[in-house]
Amino acid sequence: EPEVTQTPSHQVTQMGQEVILRCVPISNHLYFYWYRQILGQKVEFLVSFYNNEISEKSEIFDDQFSVERPDGSNFTLKIRSTKLEDSAMYFCASIRLAGSTDTQYFGPGTRLTVL
Amino acid sequence: AQSVTQLGSHVSVSEGALVLLRCNYSSSVPPYLFWYVQYPNQGLQLLLKYTSAATLVKGINGFEAEFKKSETSFHLTKPSAHMRDAAEYFCAVSEPNTDKLIFGTGTRLQVFP
Repeated sequence: EPEVTQTPSHQVTQMGQEVILRCVPISNHLYFYWYRQILGQKVEFLVSFYNNEISEKSEIFDDQFSVERPDGSNFTLKIRSTKLEDSAMYFCASIRLAGSTDTQYFGPGTRLTVL
Repeated sequence: AQSVTQLGSHVSVSEGALVLLRCNYSSSVPPYLFWYVQYPNQGLQLLLKYTSAATLVKGINGFEAEFKKSETSFHLTKPSAHMRDAAEYFCAVSEPNTDKLIFGTGTRLQVFP
């Protein structure tokens, strides 16, 4: 069964450093998402992306965050200058067709630790 | 605005007992509703979803959920718990015309032998 993959599984960085989290969505999916889960808290929507544009973003997704689909397979989340409160599990998800009954599939997550 | 409330952050049951995890939603339009499971150190796996077809939805691993509009509920049940069901369970909602999921705070299920 096709799956969403994410790399790395764990990233440790110093406060103020830039990080890039990578995702490979399912190949025929057109809509892509990032969510995050701070330890012990609920999963929160960050951003959705379609046709090389952000389609929706949450208030969490400020100017420090950006997303990109640099080629036909990867989908990345960049945090320009990490803060301690950015420590969380970051999940990538994809769906073939948004606004439909299709299922949104999640990757295994990247645990980001900011020291 | 849509929201999901999961009553009970922790639920403990004995192996073989009924599992009932509660979820209530708030939505201005008929919602799509989902249950996801998260095993330790893993990602989110879809258990089942309601997309305005049958109100009783059957999912994987013997789980099912019933959409009750009058009660704005979408509780998850399983007749007989197994040790491998121990995990975190998340209820989520989305509007049919949007694509983001709004998650509840999760319920950690413990299963005792």
